[in-house]
Amino acid sequence: EVQLVQSGADVKKPGESLRISCQGFGYSFTSNWIAWVRQMPGKGLEWMGIIFPGDSDTRYSPSFQGQVTISADKSTNTAYLQWSTLEASDSAIYYCARLDSRGYGTWGQGTLVTVSS
Amino acid sequence: QSVLTQPPSASGAPGQRVTISCSGSSSNIGSYAVNWYQQLPGTAPKLLIFGNDQRPSGVPDRFSGSKSGASASLAISGLQSEDEADYYCATWYDSLNRYVFGTGTKVTVL
Repeated sequence: EVQLVQSGADVKKPGESLRISCQGFGYSFTSNWIAWVRQMPGKGLEWMGIIFPGDSDTRYSPSFQGQVTISADKSTNTAYLQWSTLEASDSAIYYCARLDSRGYGTWGQGTLVTVSS
Repeated sequence: QSVLTQPPSASGAPGQRVTISCSGSSSNIGSYAVNWYQQLPGTAPKLLIFGNDQRPSGVPDRFSGSKSGASASLAISGLQSEDEADYYCATWYDSLNRYVFGTGTKVTVL
């Protein structure tokens, strides 16, 4: 069974850094693009960017370019989303999703990030 | 602000048919296939429709999708209480370099 398992909820202070993870199981991790999607409290889905773990080719939405970094580690089948300087407005649920021939057919369970002083 | 516009809400009684629209442009829906995602309360989104009108295995045939020009629609027939959820259209743009979700529609079963 194809699965994406995300890291647990995290609470940070403004200005701190953070890296959350998404580990793939049940398929060849280097063969499918992995995207990150933000959902702010009570709001809709926002596509942040995507990475191809096979060669680390990465694309960003203009809204998130320069604000976050997407990376992947083939040796551990894990994709990452990281911030160097968090802001309160980064508080949200973040989902990773695997792109297959149909669309984003497999999603992680989501990681709640809370940024508060 | 999303480039794909959906009505914020839709509702219907059990057994009725509900239709959700998704309006885009020639650079997104007009050029690429549309997907639809269902997000039940407190859960991750789930792929509901792909390729404009195809259902993944396990999705009931009560759900159907269509596309015409720069717009797409999702129809739910025989509405059931478990269909209460948020629904998002989505597609590619910018030569497949970017993906965008619609503004989302909350479906309520009366």
